[in-house]
Amino acid sequence: EPEVTQTPSHQVTQMGQEVILRCVPISNHLYFYWYRQILGQKVEFLVSFYNNEISEKSEIFDDQFSVERPDGSNFTLKIRSTKLEDSAMYFCASSEGSGRGGDTQYFGPGTRLTVL
Amino acid sequence: GDSVTQMEGPVTLSEEAFLTINCTYTATGYPSLFWYVQYPGEGLQLLLKATKADDKGSNKGFEATYRKETTSFHLEKGSVQVSDSAVYFCALKDDYQLIWGAGTKLIIKP
Repeated sequence: EPEVTQTPSHQVTQMGQEVILRCVPISNHLYFYWYRQILGQKVEFLVSFYNNEISEKSEIFDDQFSVERPDGSNFTLKIRSTKLEDSAMYFCASSEGSGRGGDTQYFGPGTRLTVL
Repeated sequence: GDSVTQMEGPVTLSEEAFLTINCTYTATGYPSLFWYVQYPGEGLQLLLKATKADDKGSNKGFEATYRKETTSFHLEKGSVQVSDSAVYFCALKDDYQLIWGAGTKLIIKP
């Protein structure tokens, strides 16, 4: 069964460093997403991406964050200068469509980011 | 804005007990509703979904019915197993993004 994959599973970085989290969405999916979950808190939406453009982003997704689809398979989240509060589990997801018609988002296993 | 409220956990049950995890939502539109499950050390997996009022989603013995009149989507299972121990998330989607409940940890004791 096709699945979303993410690498690395755990990333440790120093405050102020740049990190890139990588995701390979399901191959025929057109919409891509990033979410994060700070330990003990709710899952939060960061950004959605379609046709090489951001389609929606939350208030969390400020200028420190960027997303890219550098080739036909990868989808990346870059944090330019990490802060302690960026420590969280980051989930990538993909879906065939984005509409309310029940398009399901399929999630990867997550990358745990620890900022020291 | 839209929001989802779940019953707080952990919920601890004995094997073969009946399970209900309450979920209510607030939405301005007509969202789709989802239950996701996260097993220990794993990612978020879709458990079931419903896209309109009165729809019932079901999977692996779990069920939930989209109740517009009570704005609820409670998760039920008739007889839980130890392997059902996980964190369960209720979520709604009105457009691009999923909006999540806080999650309910379920512990099943043999």
